[in-house]
Amino acid sequence: DGGITQSPKYLFRKEGQNVTLSCEQNLNHDAMYWYRQDPGQGLRLIYYSQIVNDFQKGDIAEGYSVSREKKESFPLTVTSAQKNPTAFYLCASSMGRGNQPQHFGDGTRLSIL
Amino acid sequence: AQTVTQSQPEMSVQEAETVTLSCTYDTSESDYYLFWYKQPPSRQMILVIRQEAYKQQNATENRFSVNFQKAAKSFSLKISDSQLGDAAMYFCAYSPINTGNQFYFGTGTSLTVIP
Repeated sequence: DGGITQSPKYLFRKEGQNVTLSCEQNLNHDAMYWYRQDPGQGLRLIYYSQIVNDFQKGDIAEGYSVSREKKESFPLTVTSAQKNPTAFYLCASSMGRGNQPQHFGDGTRLSIL
Repeated sequence: AQTVTQSQPEMSVQEAETVTLSCTYDTSESDYYLFWYKQPPSRQMILVIRQEAYKQQNATENRFSVNFQKAAKSFSLKISDSQLGDAAMYFCAYSPINTGNQFYFGTGTSLTVIP
């Protein structure tokens, strides 16, 4: 079955540590996205990529980094520069044209130890 | 700036009754798409319905329908014959044509279904 896989489901980070959230899709989608979800704030765009080896900052990119070396993969690194990383992170993908709906993974909950 | 406003943080509905969730958006674009997503307690985002701005006919998907008022920039979701499984957070999203398929989400409405 085609879909988006995010791992791990739960992740804990120590102060000053970088962590990487995985996102893999087998839908052959061109575009991929990372969102952060906080209570009462909906989904906020961190980074998005419309094509391999290219990505753009979203509204809250500070303290995060991404790479898009393969079409199927769009990992998100939460760096130590992100001072308030505790949140639920959602990865999504879409065909990238015609405003097709975004398909979402099951999310990763990141907490600080 | 593109903004999406959901003015109802929480709503409740009796099982089998009808409920309407509100959404307004602010844009200067003429071509765009609008979506409603459902997020149950499992946290997975599920597409409920999609509306293209240039289509005047309101989209319908089984018990879910929208009231799209382009001039008023309003996009409400009506859920008919509400079921217990409809309990979830509902997010309205806006996607303009010319921004590389970026989506802008509202803050969500938490729907409770009362048995």
